[in-house]
This record gives sequence, C-alpha cells and structure tokens, in this order.
Amino acid sequence: SQKIEQNSEALNIQEGKTATLTCNYTNYSPAYLQWYRQDPGRGPVFLLLIRENEKEKRKERLKVTFDTTLKQSLFHITASQPADSATYLCALDVRDNYGQNFVFGPGTRLSVLP
Amino acid sequence: EAQVTQNPRYLITVTGKKLTVTCSQNMNHEYMSWYRQDPGLGLRQIYYSMNVEVTDKGDVPEGYKVSRKEKRNFPLILESPSPNQTSLYFCASSPWTSGGAFTDTQYFGPGTRLTVL
Repeated sequence: SQKIEQNSEALNIQEGKTATLTCNYTNYSPAYLQWYRQDPGRGPVFLLLIRENEKEKRKERLKVTFDTTLKQSLFHITASQPADSATYLCALDVRDNYGQNFVFGPGTRLSVLP
Repeated sequence: EAQVTQNPRYLITVTGKKLTVTCSQNMNHEYMSWYRQDPGLGLRQIYYSMNVEVTDKGDVPEGYKVSRKEKRNFPLILESPSPNQTSLYFCASSPWTSGGAFTDTQYFGPGTRLTVL
C-alpha cells in the first residue's frame, strides 16, 4: 500500500543545534516533494520544493535533500531558534493520467528549547 | 494582499443540514484544492481543480461536492453533513509553473473548523 511517514511525531532539540526531520514514502513516484511549516490553528506555509532530479536545495538556514532510490527526504534547520518551533509537513506530488493530487505526511512537531 | 480566504472560519451545525464553505483566491491561480486535517491522520486531500470546470477527487471525496465555475472561487459543499465530517478544513491554491505543466507551491487559507453534532 502507499504510505508516507515522518520520522517522529515530536522532536526536541536545543537552540543552536541542527534539527533533522525525515520523510519516507513507499509505493509513490513523486515528481517533486515539498516541505511546509504549520503553526497551531494556522494553515501550512510553504518552505521548500525539491524536484526528483535534484539532490539538494537550500534556502537560508534550511536544507532539503531528496533520494528517490531510498524514497526519502531529509529536512535540516541549522542554527535552530525557538521561533522555529512548529509542525513540519512533507508533501508528495503524486500525479496520474487524470490530474494531480498531493499526499501529506502526518507531520513532525519540532520544539527548539532555549 | 495575495491571499486565500475561507468562510466561515468556525461552524457548528447539525447532522443533515446542508452547508457550503467558501474559498476564494486573488492570485489568479489555476489550481485549487480542499483538504481536511484530523489528529493522527494529517492533511488529506478531498477534491482538487486544475482549472475552471475541471475538478477531480482526492483521497477522501465521499460526502463532499465541489464546483469551479470561476477561477477565483472553489466552494466545498456538504449536502448532508455527518459527525465524521467534523474536522479542520483548508483550501489551497497554486499557479502552474512557468513553462511547465504542474503546480508549484500551494498557498493555504486560514482554515475552517467544522463541528457536526
């Protein structure tokens, strides 16, 4: 069956450290993968997109890798800050002949401790 | 300001009473989508629309209807709501990538919290 998983429901790290979040999927062949941030009671906010032919993408303190062989994406936040505390979601673009839809992972709740 | 708006933000209703949640975007996006978010299940796609008059089912379409008569609006209709449709609903929109045939980032609305008694 098709499945998308994120490494843990919650992750606590110390301020200044690098947070690494994992997104694993099975039985999908996504054209690209996205990472979103969601704060409580708010809609997800897009952070980064990485395509199937890209290995790595960076944006300021964020870095995403995408390994289509392992079917895994890693999301890194370097020099983490308490303001980075939120739930982070990965999403796959899973298109077929009829259109396109998105599948989201369950999310990882990150807490950056001062 | 570029945004996706949803109305109402909060709604409590009773089983069987038809309701519509409106979604509107002012970014001229072709692609629009509805999701529901439930604890432990994450975001699940209900319906999406590639353009005006083009809609398709997502992963959990049962009990919902949509229409896309105008580019900016994509209402979600619950003809006969049931308690298992109590959830947090998000609308999203996205442009086609320039020169491409697929969408890029999705912009989400603020959410509609629906309770069906």
